Order: sequence, then structure tokens, then C-alpha cells
Amino acid sequence: KAGVTQTPRYLIKTRGQQVTLSCSPISGHRSVSWYQQTPGQGLQFLFEYFSETQRNKGNFPGRFSGRQFSNSRSEMNVSTLELGDSALYLCASSLEPARRLAGRTDTQYFGPGTRLTVL
Amino acid sequence: AQKITQTQPGMFVQEKEAVTLDCTYDTSDQSYGLFWYKQPSSGEMIFLIYQGSYDEQNATEGRYSLNFQKARKSANLVISASQLGDSAMYFCAMREGKGGNKLVFGAGTILRVKS
Repeated sequence: KAGVTQTPRYLIKTRGQQVTLSCSPISGHRSVSWYQQTPGQGLQFLFEYFSETQRNKGNFPGRFSGRQFSNSRSEMNVSTLELGDSALYLCASSLEPARRLAGRTDTQYFGPGTRLTVL
Repeated sequence: AQKITQTQPGMFVQEKEAVTLDCTYDTSDQSYGLFWYKQPSSGEMIFLIYQGSYDEQNATEGRYSLNFQKARKSANLVISASQLGDSAMYFCAMREGKGGNKLVFGAGTILRVKS
């Protein structure tokens, strides 16, 4: 089974621009979560999508948004980029909660990340 | 609020020896899951091991085992027979029990394996 894929892997933008990152989950996984990783703040949860609906949202400004498509692929968008948005953005997928059993099926599997640099 | 604490910013271990990475957590939930991930310099987060709060036995996955002490709220990762390829950042994380897949991560521990 193919793992979680993220595109692009690297991105350079300038302040004020917007960016869209893409995530394709593992086949059969319907939950997609996004995380931001920075040296200062560590790993922080952005949001989670399941069945095209946002289920959970972290403490980020409204410039950060996302969506999920019917094939479970997800995109996140950051508008009006700031220097502080430079980070590694990680996407993770897991099985839908209704089918979650005890143990490994609870696991979230991460993609390789998109490294965003804002100049 | 849930919180994960990893008190060891960095650790060194000799190749072929065992090493324990510490993780303590704080939660008021009865049902929760604990995870360990490895992050090499490439950036990808690699799942290592999972422990559910109701699991009676400590989880094991190959050279990885989890020393789960529920009363102490600790979930230490034990890596046996360390290899050079184990050099990486290691994160402990907790999934909230009330539904959803949000993970709360600790600050991480950098492990360096010496030959």
C-alpha cells in the first residue's frame, strides 16, 4: 500500500502571497490531519478533516484553512503569508473513527511533509 | 488540557546498547492513546509504537518497547540493541480520547548513536 504523499515537497514564497499544499492519504483512510512544525513551537495541530468535514481545529488564525475532497485527498491553504509561517507542514492519515479498533488501527501515518519558506 | 513532557533534550547511546527515552503525560481522559514517532533529518515522521490506555500489557514492536506506567502517567520508549540508523529525533504524542485524531506532541528528544 502506498503511504501518505504530500506535494510539493519544498516551496518558497514571499510575504503576502498565498500557498496551497496537498495531501493524499493512504488508500482507505478517510481522516486527514495537518500539523505545523517549527523549531520554536514544535509540532502543533492545525486541523482534521473526515468525510469532507472539518472535525477539529487547532489554535491558528483564519489565514489557515483546509478542505477535503470526496476521494479523501486534502488541501490546506495559507493566505497572506508571514515570515513566521515558515515551517514543515505535515499531513497524517488514519482510518475513520467508526471503524477504529483498539490498537494499531488507531495509528496516524505521516507523509514526508512540505517545507515552506517565506521570504 | 492534555500535555506531553519529554525532559531529555538530547541523549547519547553506544551502538548495540539499550536506551530509554522518557515521556510523561497529563490528561483527565480515561481513554487515550500514546504514540512514539521517529523523525530522521529528512523530516518524515515514522510511527514506531502505540499504547492504548486500556491495554494491560506493554506494547512491543521489534526492538521498540513501551514501558507504560499508568499510575505514574509515563510512557517511556525503550530501544534495544541501538543501531546507527536510530539516530534521529523522537517524539512522544497523545491522542485525545473524546473522538477525533488530534495528536498532542512533546518537544522531542534527539538521540545520537555512537559507534
